[in-house]
Amino acid sequence: DAKTTQPTSMDCAEGRAANLPCNHSTISGNEYVYWYRQIHSQGPQYIIHGLKNNETNEMASLIITEDRKSSTLILPHATLRDTAVYYCIVRLLLGYKLSFGAGTTVTVRA
Amino acid sequence: GAGVSQSPRYKVAKRGQDVALRCDPISGHVSLFWYQQALGQGPEFLTYFQNEAQLDKSGLPSDRFFAERPEGSVSTLKIQRTQQEDSAVYLCASSLGGVAGWADTQYFGPGTRLTVL
Repeated sequence: DAKTTQPTSMDCAEGRAANLPCNHSTISGNEYVYWYRQIHSQGPQYIIHGLKNNETNEMASLIITEDRKSSTLILPHATLRDTAVYYCIVRLLLGYKLSFGAGTTVTVRA
Repeated sequence: GAGVSQSPRYKVAKRGQDVALRCDPISGHVSLFWYQQALGQGPEFLTYFQNEAQLDKSGLPSDRFFAERPEGSVSTLKIQRTQQEDSAVYLCASSLGGVAGWADTQYFGPGTRLTVL
């Protein structure tokens, strides 16, 4: 699976949008971009995934660049409960392993 | 419905003891995964089951680690002769389909924190 690069940490103000970048320059055509988050002392939680089109669900939006070499996860109105480690993962279409990196520690401040 | 559950949530073992960690996947989920998460790091894949068949055990760190899912539902991860380096959170995840389908979403349990003294 292609490798991903994320910032180590970032802060966000409560109520504002949080934009989390991820680079995956070696992504191939049959690989999806997945985002998970892990709140302290809990298991990872699925957020969203996409192939090449932008995606939106009740939790977040995923913007994938046209060349698919990078993506941004957007939490539209961050709350204190969104404080977590966010993992950007590139996964084969028919793959089953999730390769978590170090992720981005997001701290939402009041 | 109920999510993935794991027991015990915390386990303290003396070095050399055997431990067994249980995972109850979401009902009807065909695929089951075990991951190991060391302190401050992301989860690392250990093994994968499709129903009762263990299709991939490439991530198991040594032959002291053994996983089973005899009836295609509940799974147990067993660690024999535990060592201090086995201290970690062990996460179980399940997904609806098998490898033949497209990449299914994996749903994780809360994990079991193992501390080996």
